[in-house]
Formats: sequence, structure tokens, C-alpha cells
Amino acid sequence: DAKTTQPTSMDCAEGRAANLPCNHSTISGNEYVYWYRQIHSQGPQYIIHGLKNNETNEMASLIITEDRKSSTLILPHATLRDTAVYYCIVRVGTSGTYKYIFGTGTRLKVLA
Amino acid sequence: DAGVIQSPRHEVTEMGQEVTLRCKPISGHNSLFWYRQTMMRGLELLIYFNNNVPIDDSGMPEDRFSAKMPNASFSTLKIQPSEPRDSAVYFCASRYTTPGQGAKSGNTIYFGEGSWLTVV
Repeated sequence: DAKTTQPTSMDCAEGRAANLPCNHSTISGNEYVYWYRQIHSQGPQYIIHGLKNNETNEMASLIITEDRKSSTLILPHATLRDTAVYYCIVRVGTSGTYKYIFGTGTRLKVLA
Repeated sequence: DAGVIQSPRHEVTEMGQEVTLRCKPISGHNSLFWYRQTMMRGLELLIYFNNNVPIDDSGMPEDRFSAKMPNASFSTLKIQPSEPRDSAVYFCASRYTTPGQGAKSGNTIYFGEGSWLTVV
């Protein structure tokens, strides 16, 4: 079972920041949070991941609360091409046995 | 760099036929995952391998499904006999893991474009 819960859908205006929340209240101390997105009919695409510190890369920023029970993915300037399903995943297991269990994700629609 | 390569991209088959899906992971990756995606159940992890050895097959739905990884560059997912409820997109993903390594970028999994299976 997925260890994350996300809103089913969200809309965002083009050019504005998209903030996608994720709850992972049962996360363990050594479990990482990963974000992937899936554009229709394509394979899921890696976006970003983190443990406890906030992370930023060329695609997005990841803000993790101090208690690690939730996180937010931020797309700073959403474009129409960012319309996709966004998955927040907690990686479970130990080295050599890691599993990535996907939940239902958030369907983000970027509006012109 | 070639990504994860899956074949066939699309297959339509009749109920009762054997279906074989193939996956070539990214060169150098030592973990491989098979997922299935449907509208009803979303993305489900079926099985994954580490260094060609099946680690967890608890997601394999039933005995009609089997997966093999004879070497580091090839894996198959077989359904025999196929049924209409097996219609789905099957994704393969791979990752490189160094034992004891933390979740640096090397532990990110990369997906193929999927095999779209329709069983009629």
C-alpha cells in the first residue's frame, strides 16, 4: 500500500507557481520522498527527491516539513506542458531491496 | 544515452494466448522493476529484481504471470494464458544501486515508455 496521500486534482494558471501537497504521516526516519510525473501515455518521469532538507533542481523545488510528515512540490512557473499526473512516493525497504510504491497521484491541469 | 527499452510497444492478442513483454534496462543498472497500470488500480508494482535475482514478487497477480531476468541486460514478463482483465500498460523501470549507498541520484528509477496490452 502507498504511504502517501495526495489531492485528486488541481488547476494552476499558466505562468504561476504550482504547489502540489503530499501527506506521508507514517514515513520512517530513513525513508526518502520521491516525486514523479506522468504525461499522458508516457512512462513516469523522475522530478526530484529528498530526505529532510529542501531540494531544488532545474525542474522543481521540494519542501519537506520539519516533522517530515508532509511535503510540497513546487513548479515555479507552470507551463501547459506541465499538465500531468504527479506522484509523491515514499521509497521503502533497505539497500538492495528498495521499493517504490505509487499512490493515485494528483492530476494537475495548467490553464492558459 | 539509451533509456529503458520495452517491446512490443503495442500488442493486441486473443484471450488464452501467451504474451511475452520484453525489457532492456539502462546499461549498468542492476535493479529492474515491472509495473502494471490500469485506470482502476493505478500503477502497481508487480516484481523487482536486484542483480538479476527476484527480490519481491508479491505484486504478481497470479500464477499466470511470470518474470525472468536471465542476464543484466534483459528481462521478460510472461502471461500465459492471457485474459481480458490483463489489458493494461506494463512498464519496466531500472536503477543503479551501490550496496549501502544512500538515496543519491543513482537510486532514482527510470521508466520505459510502456507496453500497451489489449486482450480481446
